[in-house]
Amino acid sequence: DIQMTQSPSTLSASVGDRVTITCRASQSISSWLAWYQQKPGKAPKLMIYKASSLESGVPSRFSGSGSGTEFTLTISSLQPDDFATYYCQQYNDYWTFGQGTKVEIK
Amino acid sequence: QPQLQESGPGLAKPSETLSLICTVSGDSVSSNSYYWGWIRQPPGKGLEWIGSMYYSGTTYYNPSLRSRVTISVDTSKNQISLKLSSVTAADTAVYYCARHVGYSDSGSYYWGWFDPWGQGTLVTVSS
Repeated sequence: DIQMTQSPSTLSASVGDRVTITCRASQSISSWLAWYQQKPGKAPKLMIYKASSLESGVPSRFSGSGSGTEFTLTISSLQPDDFATYYCQQYNDYWTFGQGTKVEIK
Repeated sequence: QPQLQESGPGLAKPSETLSLICTVSGDSVSSNSYYWGWIRQPPGKGLEWIGSMYYSGTTYYNPSLRSRVTISVDTSKNQISLKLSSVTAADTAVYYCARHVGYSDSGSYYWGWFDPWGQGTLVTVSS
């Protein structure tokens, strides 16, 4: 099965910072990757699919890139609403999630 | 966007079967464009896909849970159900249902991301 590894596990940042989260797959998954945002006590929310396609309604400060085994989620200018945990998910072979990256206030 | 709502007992006893229902509104579980899935999240931990089902009965299960999981659909009630047998404390989690979105690639159709999700329901396994 395909393992997804995110780094870092926790990221401390300030409003306005550029933030990058990395997700690595244990084998190539082409561009078959999604990103989700989850806030405490809430369900995950789809942000990006097919590695770089922004879901409708998601602010343009979010972007995704990568293919093969290495992917990134970038927030160009962190806003107060963006403090949350982010998960990647591959859908090349079954469906598996990364362990999550918590973006916290510095 | 459709709305999904999980329901079921919040407590299950070890060795028994956990049973949950997901009621869908604003979309049909008989849609030929989507699968319907279950995902769980142990307290303070990450997400684990449990399984997904097409209205015709085709199912995919997480290999690590396959021997204990049954997902079914009731088109008359627009509901999806989850049964997980022989539960232990390790099955304590928030259980989410979600619409499993398909996509086409090179002339074939595949199943990709999950959107939207239900609010989730916490099931605690304890005697």
